[in-house]
Amino acid sequence: DAGITQSPRYKITETGRQVTLMCHQTWSHSYMFWYRQDLGHGLRLIYYSAAADITDKGEVPDGYVVSRSKTENFPLTLESATRSQTSVYFCASSEGSYTDTQYFGPGTRLTVL
Amino acid sequence: AQSVTQLGSHVSVSEGALVLLRCNYSSSVPPYLFWYVQYPNQGLQLLLKYTSAATLVKGINGFEAEFKKSETSFHLTKPSAHMSDAAEYFCAVRDGNNRLAFGKGNQVVVIP
Repeated sequence: DAGITQSPRYKITETGRQVTLMCHQTWSHSYMFWYRQDLGHGLRLIYYSAAADITDKGEVPDGYVVSRSKTENFPLTLESATRSQTSVYFCASSEGSYTDTQYFGPGTRLTVL
Repeated sequence: AQSVTQLGSHVSVSEGALVLLRCNYSSSVPPYLFWYVQYPNQGLQLLLKYTSAATLVKGINGFEAEFKKSETSFHLTKPSAHMSDAAEYFCAVRDGNNRLAFGKGNQVVVIP
């Protein structure tokens, strides 16, 4: 089916481990985004990408790495997970203009023990 | 920098009563404003958006919002709340780099 998907939907890991969250969209949208959602903070932008091989930092990038070798994929890696990275992570995409809607994936709930 | 203020993290409304969620923004460029809704255990979906056309914007599920430049506001309303409106609502403003700055959200509880 067309749309934006995230995997895994739930993940439990331990402090210090590397974790990669996957995001895939089938619309060939130019822009892709990673957000984290925490109680009392709303959604905060981690990284975004304007096109393949173009990425940029958002509001809270520390401890995260992204890549975008293909337009449709935008993985987010936690290089050494910390408890403060326990959160719900959302991927989103948009066609690209300032007025375009962002379409969100279903989210990944990550718990770091 | 662009930012959004949503007051009152939890909003309770009786079924059939007016839903009013307030959003004030600051923006150094002409604003593009959005309201998103998040149902439990789901991602966000667009309710409506303002993109410099009509100041009264109608969205899905009977919601509408009015852009008021003089008040830097984009409040969301619905005349009559339904049980299905129970969700979290986020106001957002787009900055000049095509990024969204979100408010902290309003959790709406509908009382039967």
